[in-house]
Amino acid sequence: EVQLVESGGHLVQPGGSLRLSCAASGFTFNIYNFNWVRQAPGKGLEWVSYIGSSGKTIHYADSVKGRFTISKDNAKDSVYLQMNSLRVEDSAVYSCVRNDLTGDESFDLWGQGTLVTVSS
Amino acid sequence: QSALTQPASVSGSPGQSITISCTGTSDDVGGFKYVSWYQDHPGKVPRLLIFGVTKRPSGVSSRFSGSKSGNTAFLAISGLQAEDETDYFCASYKRGNTLWVFGTGTRVTVL
Repeated sequence: EVQLVESGGHLVQPGGSLRLSCAASGFTFNIYNFNWVRQAPGKGLEWVSYIGSSGKTIHYADSVKGRFTISKDNAKDSVYLQMNSLRVEDSAVYSCVRNDLTGDESFDLWGQGTLVTVSS
Repeated sequence: QSALTQPASVSGSPGQSITISCTGTSDDVGGFKYVSWYQDHPGKVPRLLIFGVTKRPSGVSSRFSGSKSGNTAFLAISGLQAEDETDYFCASYKRGNTLWVFGTGTRVTVL
């Protein structure tokens, strides 16, 4: 089955760290670009980070730059998001999302998401 | 990030046509041919309906169509069916550090 499955979401204190994982299956992982997208409770979707297929091209939203690090392991068909210096406003469901191959910058596969709660 | 503006709700009777708007700026919707639309059923992952403003992935019904005028994109659903009742959101590639921006979401109700 073609799918993305996130894990690693947890309750963490402000200032703490967390590593999210996204396991891909059912498709050729290493030719795709990936993103992390989040949705805080009662809020809209927010793009967080992008990584290109080779892992060399990386972008971050200003809200997480310097605190979050995206990476991918093509041998393990997985994408990761290392989150440091977490803030209350980082609380959200984090979803792993695949870019399509058309070059039209859309998202053709979404994971169910993993919940991150930052609270003391 | 400034979200793209969508109407909170749109409704129509079975068989009718409806249109959902997605308004951004010249830095996103108006500046690129990279608007996409998604169907979002509660408890399921979002499904890509339209990419590149007007293109439909294989397997998506021709009842769904996309267009754009200036800084506003549109998703049209023709021949409205009960199964179309759910949430829809748009997305656009964006100029600047924020690569993508999403719409506020629209709930479609089939009367």
